[in-house]
Amino acid sequence: AQSVTQLDSQVPVFEEAPVELRCNYSSSVSVYLFWYVQYPNQGLQLLLKYLSGSTLVESINGFEAEFNKSQTSFHLRKPSVHISDTAEYFCAVTPNTGFQKLVFGTGTRLLVSP
Amino acid sequence: EPEVTQTPSHQVTQMGQEVILRCVPISNHLYFYWYRQILGQKVEFLVSFYNNEISEKSEIFDDQFSVERPDGSNFTLKIRSTKLEDSAMYFCASRTPRDRGLNEQFFGPGTRLTVL
Repeated sequence: AQSVTQLDSQVPVFEEAPVELRCNYSSSVSVYLFWYVQYPNQGLQLLLKYLSGSTLVESINGFEAEFNKSQTSFHLRKPSVHISDTAEYFCAVTPNTGFQKLVFGTGTRLLVSP
Repeated sequence: EPEVTQTPSHQVTQMGQEVILRCVPISNHLYFYWYRQILGQKVEFLVSFYNNEISEKSEIFDDQFSVERPDGSNFTLKIRSTKLEDSAMYFCASRTPRDRGLNEQFFGPGTRLTVL
């Protein structure tokens, strides 16, 4: 079985400051890793994913995440946040075999203020 | 851009009533999922569906729940006799076959179910 831990339930940050949202996982098998974003009153949108290859993955809007197998982490970072980044961010894992149900963390609410 | 759609966006029902939540997955997708998110909690897997049968279900998905793909386009979740604790946001998701190289599940906007 897999599990995901997002230790920070809420992260307040000022606009243009850097941010890191932490994600740790546990699994007895190899996994794929995802970050999903949920804007207010909307569904889940994929932000970025790690399947294989380079451990650093990037999104089109400036977020990046690094897969660290030894630390079983997949932290999300952005060097300079915008007000529009205010949202709930969910880390998720899935085994890399089978029908790939997603196991989500509890989410981190990113609050960006001016 | 193709997207997963869900109807209704909000459903209010009385305890003990049956509800059907509807989803239209992306047309060339073959794997379908239902998840739920109780207010303030994490998103939880309910069931996955492939080739017209359930491929995996969680312990949440008991005999009160059922899924169906009645007409090749819709994917429904039925709760036979709703309980107060069924109040949640229900998300549908779909995915292409793994051998097409994509492993992303595309999510719908959700249906907020309120059981009174």
